[in-house]
Amino acid sequence: SQTIHQWPATLVQPVGSPLSLECTVEGTSNPNLYWYRQAAGRGLQLLFYSVGIGQISSEVPQNLSASRPQDRQFILSSKKLLLSDSGFYLCAWREGVAKNIQYFGAGTRLSVL
Amino acid sequence: DAKTTQPPSMDCAEGRAANLPCNHSTISGNEYVYWYRQIHSQGPQYIIHGLKNNETNEMASLIITEDRKSSTLILPHATLRDTAVYYCIVRVAAGNQFYFGTGTSLTVIP
Repeated sequence: SQTIHQWPATLVQPVGSPLSLECTVEGTSNPNLYWYRQAAGRGLQLLFYSVGIGQISSEVPQNLSASRPQDRQFILSSKKLLLSDSGFYLCAWREGVAKNIQYFGAGTRLSVL
Repeated sequence: DAKTTQPPSMDCAEGRAANLPCNHSTISGNEYVYWYRQIHSQGPQYIIHGLKNNETNEMASLIITEDRKSSTLILPHATLRDTAVYYCIVRVAAGNQFYFGTGTSLTVIP
């Protein structure tokens, strides 16, 4: 069966520091992968999605970037974190074109201080 | 993707059916209705989806009106563990973007 892993679960970073969040999927090949952010009390905001290795689509211009160095690995990065980058970051993968169901990881709670 | 409107919050007594409404009056013919829920501090969990027929699985039932402008998610016997934020999303099957709104915060009361 397919599983999705995200780490770390919690992260506290100072303003101006770099960021790297990693997401990996097991049990499937060539998945569509997604990064979302959820600010406190808000809905999910789609940040990036990827349909294949090296293919990244950005939804919102911001201080973050994404990369997909391997088929089942999706990385969210920042060179210099801002206070506004705090939030709950979620990685997801999509099952099938016809069903189009997204499955989410457990999330990373990032606090930028 | 079509926009959806959901009530911000609802309460339901434990053991009773929870009926969560969603309006999607601008839905187009090839757009599906998806429901997810998010328990506090966890990732969203897929519940059910449908195009125009009513659907049922082990978690819930989805009732879509004949004109497809609204739908209702039914949890037949709500438990305390069903307390979560429920999101209704309308989108085409092949698209990549999933836009989540603020959903309905359901509280199941003992």
